[in-house]
Amino acid sequence: QKEVEQDPGPLSVPEGAIVSLNCTYSNSAFQYFMWYRQYSRKGPELLMYTYSSGNKEDGRFTAQVDKSSKYISLFIRDSQPSDSATYLCASARGGSQGNLIFGKGTKLSVKP
Amino acid sequence: DGGITQSPKYLFRKEGQNVTLSCEQNLNHDAMYWYRQDPGQGLRLIYYSQIVNDFQKGDIAEGYSVSREKKESFPLTVTSAQKNPTAFYLCASSVTGTAKYEQYFGPGTRLTVT
Repeated sequence: QKEVEQDPGPLSVPEGAIVSLNCTYSNSAFQYFMWYRQYSRKGPELLMYTYSSGNKEDGRFTAQVDKSSKYISLFIRDSQPSDSATYLCASARGGSQGNLIFGKGTKLSVKP
Repeated sequence: DGGITQSPKYLFRKEGQNVTLSCEQNLNHDAMYWYRQDPGQGLRLIYYSQIVNDFQKGDIAEGYSVSREKKESFPLTVTSAQKNPTAFYLCASSVTGTAKYEQYFGPGTRLTVT
């Protein structure tokens, strides 16, 4: 079993929809959780960073971590065509040297 | 304008040749990382460095080498021993301490070996 699993999609939604992106992880020692956005042929851009369980909101983006079910979510409200990208989740174990474990990414397309 | 630069953006090499990818950052970050991304796969860690003159192997270090002579620079050499070198290579940096998981990426170098 991969340490971080992510449905690759693709996921296609109409503009203005609420998007839900999800990952599961297997290592209960993971404490740090990140979401990155990657446009085609570009480097990943850090969107959200959370520690342990709970919600974190930043503008139209909400990250949610449920450690009891080992589930990570990213919600995008009022989705825009500019949100079309691949979204990568990543996790890390506390005390590790900083090496992140990435999911394979979900490709999102927001249609005007 | 702070950030991470990688050069070149595209690189083509013949099989059997070593090639060095450049990564420079002016964010004053102590830690730097090299990842590899293949189509349909997540990023995989090749090497990382927490401090100048020190670095550790990641999950897929075989066929790669690095150096860290300056805080700002972390070049990656893809050697002829790397069996499948064609990939998208990403450099990242972060502070150390508890914020080390907030890693910031460069634009990447796409390497094609034929």
